[in-house]
Amino acid sequence: GDSVTQMEGPVTLSEEAFLTINCTYTATGYPSLFWYVQYPGEGLQLLLKATKADDKGSNKGFEATYRKETTSFHLEKGSVQVSDSAVYFCALANTGNQFYFGTGTSLTVIP
Amino acid sequence: NAGVTQTPKFRVLKTGQSMTLLCAQDMNHEYMYWYRQDPGMGLRLIHYSVGEGTTAKGEVPDGYNVSRLKKQNFLLGLESAAPSQTSVYFCASSYSRTGGGYGYTFGSGTRLTVV
Repeated sequence: GDSVTQMEGPVTLSEEAFLTINCTYTATGYPSLFWYVQYPGEGLQLLLKATKADDKGSNKGFEATYRKETTSFHLEKGSVQVSDSAVYFCALANTGNQFYFGTGTSLTVIP
Repeated sequence: NAGVTQTPKFRVLKTGQSMTLLCAQDMNHEYMYWYRQDPGMGLRLIHYSVGEGTTAKGEVPDGYNVSRLKKQNFLLGLESAAPSQTSVYFCASSYSRTGGGYGYTFGSGTRLTVV
């Protein structure tokens, strides 16, 4: 069945460091891929998405490219800020009636 | 503001008690979902609905019931709470089966503790 695997955390970075959070997926066909962010005490918010191979999703300085050949959708940001501290979830949507979420990666950015 | 509203935000139950969590959305979405979030396990789908009057089981439906009597509301019930149901519960909605490339809209969550 469909599934998403993302790197385990927690991840701790200094401000202005480069961020990569790995995400790989297993799916039949052509799924849509998403990154969600969850700030402390809040629900999940859509951060970015890509709906077909080679698409690049971007938002708030974050980017992720849909790589079908490596079944990956890694999240990157060139210079993180303290305000980026949150839990990040990779997710996949396919022909079924649900999303498949990764287990989440906690990011803490220290000044 | 448009979105998904969950009530209550916090609740403490004794084992065996019952309660209902309410999810309301004002975006005219057809699809609604209940997830639970537990440490190290991410989000797991409990039940979902593809339209008014319909419900279906997700990955972890045991111990929960749901109803979708009105399009805008999706209720999650616990008939006899157990400590294993201590979790954070999230409701989500979408206008199409896979969100149409827009994903889901999530509520802010209900933190439930069963003692």
